[in-house]
Amino acid sequence: EVQLVESGGGLVQPGRSLRLSCTASGFTFGDYAMSWFRQAPGKGLEWVGFIRSKAYGGTTEYAASVKGRFTISRDDSKSIAYLQMNSLKTEDTAVYYCTREVCSTSCSPHYWGQGTLVTVSS
Amino acid sequence: QSALTQPPSASGSPGQSVTISCTGTSSDVGGYNYVSWYQQHPGKAPKLMIYEVSKRPSGVPDRFSGSKSGNTASLTVSGLQAEDEADYYCSSYAGSNNFYVFGTGTKVTVL
Repeated sequence: EVQLVESGGGLVQPGRSLRLSCTASGFTFGDYAMSWFRQAPGKGLEWVGFIRSKAYGGTTEYAASVKGRFTISRDDSKSIAYLQMNSLKTEDTAVYYCTREVCSTSCSPHYWGQGTLVTVSS
Repeated sequence: QSALTQPPSASGSPGQSVTISCTGTSSDVGGYNYVSWYQQHPGKAPKLMIYEVSKRPSGVPDRFSGSKSGNTASLTVSGLQAEDEADYYCSSYAGSNNFYVFGTGTKVTVL
């Protein structure tokens, strides 16, 4: 069974950094692209970014709203994806979800974690 | 990148059908066959219901179907059941500068 567990959320001051982890199990982690999404309280969904598998270069893509501040990485030996968030803003307050992509002609997030809440406030 | 437009709410009685629209532009919905639909119950993670316009992931009932015409995609839920009451979001690939754009969300109520 595919399982994704996010951790690392919490309360952080504006301008500070936070790193989220997504621990995966139930599949060969290194074979899959992984994404991060977020949802501000009472709001809709927003794509944050994703990282390709090493077979596709392990490269990353980011939403314009986080580009240059957020970095996604992966440790295939530990089956963990990371979201490093720097220069946090109050508008980054949200539940952050990691997902496992299934790629054919395109990639879609078929599996979701339960999410971790990040609150950016002074 | 603007959000895709969905109606705020939709409703139907058990056993009926409800269709939700998702309107974008030629730069997203109309330009690619990469529209997805997500179901989200309160306090829960989203669940992928439809991908690539009309494909269903394993485990999703065939009561859920997707289609697209021009810049508008649609999700139809047939044979409404109480557990279908949830928020539904569409999303579309929007090009290499902003991979995914989401819809504004639709709350489906089963009367």
